Amino acid sequence: GPKVLQIPSHQIIDMGQMVTLNCDPVSNHLYFYWYKQILGQQMEFLVNFYNGKVMEKSKLFKDQFSVERPDGSYFTLKIQPTALEDSAVYFCASSLRQGAYAEQFFGPGTRLTVL
Amino acid sequence: SQWGEENLQALSIQEGEDVTMNCSYKTYTTVVHWYRQDSGRGPALIILIRSNEREKRSGRLRATLDTSSQSSSLSITAAQCEDTAVYFCATNTGYQNFYFGKGTSLTVIP
Repeated sequence: GPKVLQIPSHQIIDMGQMVTLNCDPVSNHLYFYWYKQILGQQMEFLVNFYNGKVMEKSKLFKDQFSVERPDGSYFTLKIQPTALEDSAVYFCASSLRQGAYAEQFFGPGTRLTVL
Repeated sequence: SQWGEENLQALSIQEGEDVTMNCSYKTYTTVVHWYRQDSGRGPALIILIRSNEREKRSGRLRATLDTSSQSSSLSITAAQCEDTAVYFCATNTGYQNFYFGKGTSLTVIP
């Protein structure tokens, strides 16, 4: 089936540094998402993105977070500066359609460790 | 929180047995998505049940939805080793904002 790729699979950085997480969504998909999952807890919605704009974001999507998809390339999540509580697995997802019934396809996640 | 505490659990069953996993939610939803997540991989949608459906089947999977009690279940008939995964449900309370449960870690023993 359709695959979403995420690069890198693991990232270790020092607190205060900037990090960019990359997502290669399904090629013809139009809607993009980031989710955060802390070990042992449920996955939580961060943001969704369409046509170059943030459509919806949660309280977890702090001011230090930003997303973009320049020129149809990777869909990125940038955190600047990072904090200890940003340590988690970040999942990217994409979908062809919007709405509650649309199937989202997830990547394998990037495990971010902030020291 | 969108979820009740009973969503977090681990189950271990023998191959060939049937198993049912439950989730309950606190606010209105138009749909419940059930996902499975294999180790080291992202979640994958396995069945979707709409608020106007009470039951949905797909192969050995059966999902139910009771909007009056705000609960949903996923059943697997004759579980196989390859069904070993984490299963969780997700509800939608906004435009595209999904709330995910903590999930059930299912282990099927040969």
